Amino acid sequence: QVQLQESGPGLVTPSQTLSLTCTVSGGSISSGGYYWTWIRQHPGKGLEWIGYIFYSGSTSYNPSLKSRVTISVDTSYNQFSLKLSSVTAADTAVYYCARLLRRRNWFDPWGQGTLVTVSS
Amino acid sequence: QSVLTQPPSVSGAPGQRVTISCTGSSSNIGAGYDVHWYQQLPGSAPKLLIYGNNNRPSGVSDRFSGSKSATSASLAITGLQAEDEADYSCQSYDSSLSGVVFGGGTKLTVL
Repeated sequence: QVQLQESGPGLVTPSQTLSLTCTVSGGSISSGGYYWTWIRQHPGKGLEWIGYIFYSGSTSYNPSLKSRVTISVDTSYNQFSLKLSSVTAADTAVYYCARLLRRRNWFDPWGQGTLVTVSS
Repeated sequence: QSVLTQPPSVSGAPGQRVTISCTGSSSNIGAGYDVHWYQQLPGSAPKLLIYGNNNRPSGVSDRFSGSKSATSASLAITGLQAEDEADYSCQSYDSSLSGVVFGGGTKLTVL
């Protein structure tokens, strides 16, 4: 079955760019029908959708984060990535990658999540 | 502040039935978009629990059920068990935001 795994630095300096990668295994990221998504969860808070990408490269972002977010896809490595610029302590969160079923809009499966702390 | 509104916490004794509400608006649940529910055990990633308002993925107990009406949805859990203690979140799509929206999550405590 499809599995997702996040990777990247656990500590980012304020004002720098947060970069994470999600590696997809057990299936091809190029199989149509899914959006590849980033979601975050601030400590003790609810889930927040960051954005998603289709294998062709088309994207959609949360309006509240759009000016700072870039999601890209590398089909040759079966990976997609998140870049969040100009981070502050408010960006400290657990970041999840997940697969979203197009037109039905539910997430399954999810990666295990990775905690990113923004601190100097 | 989440677009979908859930109670912060609910509780129930083993064997009892509890419900968790998820209230939206005319641009999400009320616009006809499906509601999905996730269970998040302590220290774990969310897991799909209910999809398309009232469907259970393979392997999910039939003690879990979902419903939707107008601008709200509910998750019901019957025969509460200690292992059900977790955070539960609802999710839908919002046409005004052109994106996915979540509830703030509800912590279920089994007394």
